[in-house]
Amino acid sequence: SAVISQKPSRDICQRGTSLTIQCQVDSQVTMMFWYRQQPGQSLTLIATANQGSEATYESGFVIDKFPISRPNLTFSTLTVSNLSPEDSSIYLCSVSPTFYNEQFFGPGTRLTVL
Amino acid sequence: TQLLEQSPQFLSIQEGENLTVYCNSSSVFSSLQWYRQEPGEGPVLLVTVVTGGEVKKLKRLTFQFGDARKDSSLHITAAQPGDTGLYLCAGGGTSYGKLTFGQGTILTVHP
Repeated sequence: SAVISQKPSRDICQRGTSLTIQCQVDSQVTMMFWYRQQPGQSLTLIATANQGSEATYESGFVIDKFPISRPNLTFSTLTVSNLSPEDSSIYLCSVSPTFYNEQFFGPGTRLTVL
Repeated sequence: TQLLEQSPQFLSIQEGENLTVYCNSSSVFSSLQWYRQEPGEGPVLLVTVVTGGEVKKLKRLTFQFGDARKDSSLHITAAQPGDTGLYLCAGGGTSYGKLTFGQGTILTVHP
């Protein structure tokens, strides 16, 4: 397994600003994932972030809106840019350190955009 | 595109009752995970099943992977209020590391 921390745990931001979310893992992992989740609903994958390469974005998500950095095997950031109220959500990072696609999640960042 | 249909979406039961949550797909998965999530936390992995027909037990929870590896079920015996949460099934397929998530089941167990 892996222990994952995220910062901040929650934030309230103004429309048009940006928020950068940090994800720190206690061990080196190749694959990290960023998700968005509405409370009580399932997860939507934003992008896959592998160290040393560009992030791979899912349909409906673009790099200009959700730039991702992955400077090393234990850390990643997701920035949500040009915020609008529709970006209010929970953002989660996860890692997949095992062979069977198991993922281990951070506690999430709850973003509210006013 | 692989899809996982999870049902029911909501379950509200009394303490001591049994329940089953289902995940179904037309696609074959190499592995199937079940997660539980509580408010304010990330999903926590409960179990991984990888072999068709596999059954795993975790205390009062029984997980089954279909013979064809296209479906799975989670059965909880004698539910307790502490079982309350969002349950998610997720399938691992051909894209290494990526998961396909079901829609989730919100379980509420009343004392």
